[in-house]
Amino acid sequence: DAKTTQPTSMDCAEGRAANLPCNHSTISGNEYVYWYRQIHSQGPQYIIHGLKNNETNEMASLIITEDRKSSTLILPHATLRDTAVYYCIVEYSGGGADGLTFGKGTHLIIQP
Amino acid sequence: NAGVTQTPKFRVLKTGQSMTLLCAQDMNHEYMYWYRQDPGMGLRLIHYSVGEGTTAKGEVPDGYNVSRLKKQNFLLGLESAAPSQTSVYFCASSKGGPNTEAFFGQGTRLTVV
Repeated sequence: DAKTTQPTSMDCAEGRAANLPCNHSTISGNEYVYWYRQIHSQGPQYIIHGLKNNETNEMASLIITEDRKSSTLILPHATLRDTAVYYCIVEYSGGGADGLTFGKGTHLIIQP
Repeated sequence: NAGVTQTPKFRVLKTGQSMTLLCAQDMNHEYMYWYRQDPGMGLRLIHYSVGEGTTAKGEVPDGYNVSRLKKQNFLLGLESAAPSQTSVYFCASSKGGPNTEAFFGQGTRLTVV
C-alpha cells in the first residue's frame, strides 16, 4: 500500500499558485518525499524531492512540515500544461531497489 | 540526450503470442525497472534490475520475464500473452541509492486480443 494520502482531484485557475497537499504520517527518518507528475498517460516526470528542509527548483517548491508528517507541492504560476496527475511518494531512495510505490495521485486540472 | 527510450510504442498481440519490449538508457544508470499501468491506476512494479546481469521480481511479476545482458538495456518478455496483460508499460532507470530520482520512458501501449 502507498504510504501517502492525496486528494483525488483539484482545480486551479491558470496563473494562480497550485498547492497540492500530501499526508505521510508514517514516514521514517531516512525517507524522502518525492513528487512526480504524469501528463496524459506519458511517462512520469520527476518534479522535486526533499528530506526535511523546504526545496525549490525551476519547476516547483516543496514545503515539508516540521514533524515531516505532511508536505505541500507548490506550482507558483500554473499553466494549462500543468494539468496532470501528481504523485507524492515516500521512499528511502527515489531510485532504489524496490522502485517507487505509486498511489493514485491527485488529478490537477488547470482552468483557463 | 535521449534518456530512456522504449520500443515499440504500440503493439497489438493475439492471445498466446510472444513479444519482447526493449528499454534503453544512455545515462549509465545501474538500476532499471519495468512498470505497468492499468486505467485509473498508479504504476505497479513488474521486475527490476540493480545492475548488469541481475534481475529481481517486483509486485506483479507473473507472466513476464526480463533480462539485463547489457547495462544500458533492459528487456521485458511476454512468453504467452493474455488479455489481462493489456496495459501501458513504462521503463525507468536511476543511479540508485538515496537522494536520487528515476527517469521514465514514454511508454508502450500493448493490447492483447
